[in-house]
Amino acid sequence: DAGVIQSPRHEVTEMGQEVTLRCKPISGHNSLFWYRQTMMRGLELLIYFNNNVPIDDSGMPEDRFSAKMPNASFSTLKIQPSEPRDSAVYFCASSLVGYGYEQYFGPGTRLTVT
Amino acid sequence: RKEVEQDPGPFNVPEGATVAFNCTYSNSASQSFFWYRQDCRKEPKLLMSVYSSGNEDGRFTAQLNRASQYISLLIRDSKLSDSATYLCVVNAGGADGLTFGKGTHLIIQP
Repeated sequence: DAGVIQSPRHEVTEMGQEVTLRCKPISGHNSLFWYRQTMMRGLELLIYFNNNVPIDDSGMPEDRFSAKMPNASFSTLKIQPSEPRDSAVYFCASSLVGYGYEQYFGPGTRLTVT
Repeated sequence: RKEVEQDPGPFNVPEGATVAFNCTYSNSASQSFFWYRQDCRKEPKLLMSVYSSGNEDGRFTAQLNRASQYISLLIRDSKLSDSATYLCVVNAGGADGLTFGKGTHLIIQP
């Protein structure tokens, strides 16, 4: 079975550019999560969708970040405009039941903003 | 969000030894607990859930101490392949959801 799929795997962009990260959750999972991981802050939850509806976006750093889930098999995380401090690994994860249950992570997108 | 704290290590342990590390959590309302493993430049993967009665999976044993608000992970007969970062994860329920610790880095040496 295919796991969580993320694209691109690596992204290098210049400050001020728009960045779009993509995620395809495991088929049948009803919850999707976007995380950011840095050495300094560890793994941070950015936003959580349940049945395609955003439930908790309190972790989204600021208005430059936005996330959508137009259907059960696709989600995007957009950063516009990007800044060097956005450099991190961004993980997407999905879960069958909800927030407190096992989450399956994608391979991540390593973002570098110069 | 409530904190989950772990000793970042690294723990340098000879192959075959037993190693244990703890994780403390601050929210007494936390309901479920997990250990995830993350290899270098890879995604986190669930290692095991932690049950109130403690649980064992092969060489791995997880314990929960609600009174002192910590969970532990014990690895027996450590293998080189156990080298990884181990993330403590706590679910406080409701809107708090899962909170990840920053991880403990374990290095098994030949």
